[in-house]
Parts: sequence; C-alpha cells; structure tokens
Amino acid sequence: GQNIDQPTEMTATEGAIVQINCTYQTSGFNGLFWYQQHAGEAPTFLSYNVLDGLEEKGRFSSFLSRSKGYSYLLLKELQMKDSASYLCACMDSNYQLIWGAGTKLIIKP
Amino acid sequence: GAVVSQHPSWVICKSGTSVKIECRSLDFQATTMFWYRQFPKQSLMLMATSNEGSKATYEQGVEKDKFLINHASLTLSTLTVTSAHPEDSSFYICSARDLGGREYNEQFFGPGTRLTVL
Repeated sequence: GQNIDQPTEMTATEGAIVQINCTYQTSGFNGLFWYQQHAGEAPTFLSYNVLDGLEEKGRFSSFLSRSKGYSYLLLKELQMKDSASYLCACMDSNYQLIWGAGTKLIIKP
Repeated sequence: GAVVSQHPSWVICKSGTSVKIECRSLDFQATTMFWYRQFPKQSLMLMATSNEGSKATYEQGVEKDKFLINHASLTLSTLTVTSAHPEDSSFYICSARDLGGREYNEQFFGPGTRLTVL
C-alpha cells in the first residue's frame, strides 16, 4: 500500500533550526511536495523535489533521497509565524498526491 | 502565480438542505480539479478527482450521490453536498492542476470553504 509518515508534532524555539522528516512508500514516484498550512487555511506550496539532493529557498530547504524513500524540510531562523502544520505529499505514478497526516510545528519564544 | 478561488468561504445551513461550493481557476486552465475534505486536526482527505467534461472519480468511501461534482469548464468545478447532515460539517478545499507548460504537476489550492450543518 501507499504510506507517508511524518511526526505528529514538533516544538522549536524562535531563531533556531528545525528539521521535519518524511518517509514514503508509493506506487511509482513523480516527486515530493511540502506544503505549509496555517489553522483554518488552505495549504500553500513550499517546495518540490524529484531528484536527489537539497533544494534551498530562503529560510526553507528540502532534501530528497529516492533510494531511501526519505525527505526532510529544514526551517532556519525560525519565526513565530512559522507555527503551522507542514504537510508532506508524494505524487504517485498516476500523478495523484498521497498526503501525510502533517506535522504540527509549535514555535516558542 | 496561479490563483484558485472558492465560494463561499463559509456557510451555515440546516440539516437536510443542499449546499453548492464553487471552485474557479482565475488565471489558468485547469483540466483537472481535486476536492478535499479536512476534519479538525486531521490531514487532507481526497474526495474526488474531477476532469473537465467527464465524470468525477470518487475515492473509496465517498458517496457520489451525496457529493455531486460538476466540472463543466476549464475554469470551474462545483461540489454540491446534498441533504447535508451535521457529520458533513468540515473544511472543504479544492485544488487545480495547471498543465500549461509547467515544470511539474503542482496543485494550487483554493482558500477553502468551511461548512457547518446545524
């Protein structure tokens, strides 16, 4: 079956760095997405990885290892506004998104 | 960037009534739109995939006669919750896929519709 695993909740301190991991098992692979979702709002796109390696975009970076079925989202210089849920999603061979349950990130001052 | 709108943003209705939610791609053509439902503190659950001009494909466990989906044009899809009941209260989110020369098949999300059935 298809499965996406990510931690349920993480806590970090303002100004620090946090890494959110995601492991996946899907029928085929056409890339991995990370989305940010604030409470009561729709998800917003953060990153896309389809090749192995690190993609950096400002304070956020995303890493992919296809052989390990593993990705992480790295958030640097954390700000209070980064408190949100972070959703990992894989696109399978049918170009359907398979969603993880999301990681709730709590930022403390 | 690609923009997707939803209307209404929130709706309160009485049990037994029907509610229609519109999803529009504002600046691109979306041959495929997706309807999701999200209950509090849970992840997105795909309800159905809607392709322009054809019948929607529903996920297992989603009643097609209760959740009517129409994708009549490349920029509009509608979800009608028929005979809504309190257990249908949820956050409904649509997304649209832009195949127009994009590097990958990113889905663009609408802002969501919060439905409360009394």
